Amino acid sequence: AAGVIQSPRHLIKEKRETATLKCYPIPRHDTVYWYQQGPGQDPQFLISFYEKMQSDKGSIPDRFSAQQFSDYHSELNMSSLELGDSALYFCASSSRRGLAGVGQYFGPGTRLLVL
Amino acid sequence: GENVEQHPSTLSVQEGDSAVIKCTYSDSASNYFPWYKQELGKGPQLIIDIRSNVGEKKDQRIAVTLNKTAKHFSLHITETQPEDSAVYFCAASKDYGGATNKLIFGTGTLLAVQP
Repeated sequence: AAGVIQSPRHLIKEKRETATLKCYPIPRHDTVYWYQQGPGQDPQFLISFYEKMQSDKGSIPDRFSAQQFSDYHSELNMSSLELGDSALYFCASSSRRGLAGVGQYFGPGTRLLVL
Repeated sequence: GENVEQHPSTLSVQEGDSAVIKCTYSDSASNYFPWYKQELGKGPQLIIDIRSNVGEKKDQRIAVTLNKTAKHFSLHITETQPEDSAVYFCAASKDYGGATNKLIFGTGTLLAVQP
């Protein structure tokens, strides 16, 4: 079965640079979530989108922005990168289209290292 | 704020034994409780979930129980195998009207199954 696709899988950036992470949800899933996971930590919710509109917002820094496009893929844009932004970034997808009980399915993640 | 506590943080069992991981949530409005398995370098994998209208759910060697009054839910793995070794996360969410809302994760349990 098709899964969530994330790109790139690995990314190395310098401080103060920008990064763009991409997420392609499972086909027919219309909701996308972004999570950040630090080393040895649990995933922390950043932001979510449904039908291209922001549906919820968590502990996402103002330096980060995200959007969902008409084909339901999503991009997380990170500017003025800091050392503390080094983490695994996961995208998850789900569906609201009458599919009650559809949980969140996670992608393989993007490992971001800020030097 | 919303909080999910998870115990134990590490668990070592012999192959064939059972493993139990427990979680407690703080927000009484939470009604959806998934469990994720995360292997090293991979994204969290949804292994089982339960909603607040049922008390127990089973899928082969995995079962989850929910006590809404105590705000407590548990994962039970029977006949453990070495491939069950991973970090397990519980999570809680308020899920009304379709796709789940943001997941609040527990701190994770590192399960090691000794051959």
